[in-house]
Amino acid sequence: GQNIDQPTEMTATEGAIVQINCTYQTSGFNGLFWYQQHAGEAPTFLSYNVLDGLEEKGRFSSFLSRSKGYSYLLLKELQMKDSASYLCAATDSNYQLIWGAGTKLIIKP
Amino acid sequence: DTEVTQTPKHLVMGMTNKKSLKCEQHMGHRAMYWYKQKAKKPPELMFVYSYEKLSINESVPSRFSPECPNSSLLNLHLHALQPEDSALYLCASSQDSGSGANVLTFGAGSRLTVL
Repeated sequence: GQNIDQPTEMTATEGAIVQINCTYQTSGFNGLFWYQQHAGEAPTFLSYNVLDGLEEKGRFSSFLSRSKGYSYLLLKELQMKDSASYLCAATDSNYQLIWGAGTKLIIKP
Repeated sequence: DTEVTQTPKHLVMGMTNKKSLKCEQHMGHRAMYWYKQKAKKPPELMFVYSYEKLSINESVPSRFSPECPNSSLLNLHLHALQPEDSALYLCASSQDSGSGANVLTFGAGSRLTVL
């Protein structure tokens, strides 16, 4: 079957760094996405990885290892506005998105 | 214009009502999607339109009826819904539906409550 696993909830301190992990099992693989979703709002695109390695975008970076079926989202210099759910999603061989349940990130002052 | 616009933002309806959710995008995207999202759950795909043709229907009950009048518009017609259909309904669009780097742009959602 197809499956995405990520932690349910994480807590971090303002100004710190946090890493949100995601493991996936899909029939075929055509890339991995991270989306951010604030409570009651729509998801917004953060990053896309299709090759192994690290993609950096400002305070946010995303890493992919295809051989391990593993990705992480790294958030640096955390701000209170980063409190949100972070959704990992993998694209399967039919280009359909398989979504993880999301990681709720709580930032404390 | 880099937005997906959904109306209404909130909708309350009875189980015998007929209502519609509307979605519009002007980014030239050729794929449009309806997702359903319950609290603390990921989005659940309902329908995909590709080049104005229904390409995916994820075994959605017939009380939900999608319509794509043109490449910019997507509707979801609702009839005889159940209380368990109460959820956030998200519309999304992307360049197309057949590539890996298929970034979805979501609308703000329509929060539906069925009484």
